[in-house]
Amino acid sequence: NAGVTQTPKFQVLKTGQSMTLQCAQDMNHEYMSWYRQDPGMGLRLIHYSVGAGITDQGEVPNGYNVSRSTTEDFPLRLLSAAPSQTSVYFCASSSGVGDHGTQYFGPGTRLLVL
Amino acid sequence: AQSVAQPEDQVNVAEGNPLTVKCTYSVSGNPYLFWYVQYPNRGLQFLLKYITGDNLVKGSYGFEAEFNKSQTSFHLKKPSALVSDSALYFCAVRANTNAGKSTFGDGTTLTVKP
Repeated sequence: NAGVTQTPKFQVLKTGQSMTLQCAQDMNHEYMSWYRQDPGMGLRLIHYSVGAGITDQGEVPNGYNVSRSTTEDFPLRLLSAAPSQTSVYFCASSSGVGDHGTQYFGPGTRLLVL
Repeated sequence: AQSVAQPEDQVNVAEGNPLTVKCTYSVSGNPYLFWYVQYPNRGLQFLLKYITGDNLVKGSYGFEAEFNKSQTSFHLKKPSALVSDSALYFCAVRANTNAGKSTFGDGTTLTVKP
């Protein structure tokens, strides 16, 4: 199993550009989440999904869109990048059954918005 | 709303000494509590969790944590610290009724000196 994979590893954007951060998992987990990690602020939940076709907002959703068309994939879209979105982004997946929601994280995407 | 507080940004201990990393939480209903560890430039890795039952839970790498319902705490402990334990530690909580939404603390940097 590859677990949770994220692409790209690193990206530089100019203000106003758009991009999609990819996340995929091969563990058949129903739950997937996107977090951003900023120094001194821990992990903040951006969006999450409880199954294909179902998404919900976390605590910092503004400026980000998500969709979940398959169980495996959960892309995060930045429609118009801003310097405030410079961060490290982590995708995570979990299963509510058996594993009690233990999250498995991808390696992260480091994003710099100029 | 659910929340997690990790009151110490940094914990410094000498190798061989016991360590404690503190965590308090707030959540509606019964809590599911987790500890994760992050090594530099890596994603988060699961250490241990409390779901129900025995208040003392044991996890990976010799770590354990004690759940205290009256104090709403879930402190991470290890009897004898290793230099290789140096990392960033996160406490997380979710309600037992919402497997998709976890809240993380701001993290505590543990430094173990030889």
